[in-house]
Amino acid sequence: GAVVSQHPSRVICKSGTSVKIECRSLDFQATTMFWYRQFPKKSLMLMATSNEGSKATYEQGVEKDKFLINHASLTLSTLTVTSAHPEDSSFYICSVKVTDTQYFGPGTRLTVL
Amino acid sequence: QQQVKQSPQSLIVQKGGIPIINCAYENTAFDYFPWYQQFPGKGPALLIAIRPDVSEKKEGRFTISFNKSAKQFSLHIMDSQPGDSATYFCAASDDYKLSFGAGTTVTVRA
Repeated sequence: GAVVSQHPSRVICKSGTSVKIECRSLDFQATTMFWYRQFPKKSLMLMATSNEGSKATYEQGVEKDKFLINHASLTLSTLTVTSAHPEDSSFYICSVKVTDTQYFGPGTRLTVL
Repeated sequence: QQQVKQSPQSLIVQKGGIPIINCAYENTAFDYFPWYQQFPGKGPALLIAIRPDVSEKKEGRFTISFNKSAKQFSLHIMDSQPGDSATYFCAASDDYKLSFGAGTTVTVRA
């Protein structure tokens, strides 16, 4: 499988600021990564597909100007939450696609005050 | 709408018991069915996965049963231990995106 890391693991920010979350594939060159959001005691909700060297594909209802995704290399994808508000507080998780399987990072807990 | 229906929402078993989690799907384009285990505050970890041409797969104490005609699949945790207490998600893939079930919280009492 693939080993995936995320940084930071936790972040607290003030409303109106922007926060960047990094997702790294440590042992696999990933052309495709995914970003998910998870609310407490809920399932994972796919936000977008991150494609190396091209624009991300966003799921219906996800604001692309709000959640900026950059996949500049085969080992790094970043999610930037712009002008964060309390309703953006959530658990954000990335995954790396290896053939049919997705391997997930440890997640980033975002709290917006 | 949820493409994969998962039940029950939660279950409690005694140590050594066999929790069973069931999932159903409608989309016949799905051809890969993984199960993930998630502990609080952590990312999901792949447990075991199956393809529709196989009716059963075992890995350690985890077994997937797959019924292609009924479009159902289930996870059995044999000889469950308190350390198996977690949330389990079934999922289905059409070779691109994963569709997740709602999750089942399993509690194994010592």
